[in-house]
Amino acid sequence: ETGVTQTPRHLVMGMTNKKSLKCEQHLGHNAMYWYKQSAKKPLELMFVYSLEERVENNSVPSRFSPECPNSSHLFLHLHTLQPEDSALYLCASSQDPGHPYNEQFFGPGTRLTVL
Amino acid sequence: QQQVKQSPQSLIVQKGGISIINCAYENTAFDYFPWYQQFPGKGPALLIAIRPDVSEKKEGRFTISFNKSAKQFSLHIMDSQPGDSATYFCAASMNTGNQFYFGTGTSLTVIP
Repeated sequence: ETGVTQTPRHLVMGMTNKKSLKCEQHLGHNAMYWYKQSAKKPLELMFVYSLEERVENNSVPSRFSPECPNSSHLFLHLHTLQPEDSALYLCASSQDPGHPYNEQFFGPGTRLTVL
Repeated sequence: QQQVKQSPQSLIVQKGGISIINCAYENTAFDYFPWYQQFPGKGPALLIAIRPDVSEKKEGRFTISFNKSAKQFSLHIMDSQPGDSATYFCAASMNTGNQFYFGTGTSLTVIP
């Protein structure tokens, strides 16, 4: 595997379910990100992890819970989601956590549908 | 408040034509402006980027034009090809912090 991978690629869940999204980067990067992509809206940054520590949380509802066990893996735990949470969830990584000029490499995303 | 405004929302261009996508920003602290290209089923990928110390950057058929006084920048795709059909996002960031501010995207269709 190369680059940034995400599993599952598609997920359908009920509002009472608990599920997790997984991201893995094979680039040796030190920063990882979760974004939410909704139609006709800008990409929304949800969480940033730098060297496995959360450095930014853009006021995301607590029903989204991130976890970064090491610099290569990032999870997004989901519970009691709402239909408006249906979107494409993108994971990204970059080399230098403190330098925004560094290119962010995106995974293919997980298409989430909440019924 | 949307930090970066992008237009048009969609664009249809004949093969061989020029595709132009525009973005505008308000925050003068922004100092890095990348463009990302996203194909269906894929994540966005960096296409080309510019810093405000230059007014233009060209890479192959792709050119960014930057107007610092107007706080606008645009992507020009010369000799557009069907393989360029994708969604294009402009973005902006500043040299502190980790955040990129993205535009809403432009869906480009190049007709053969």
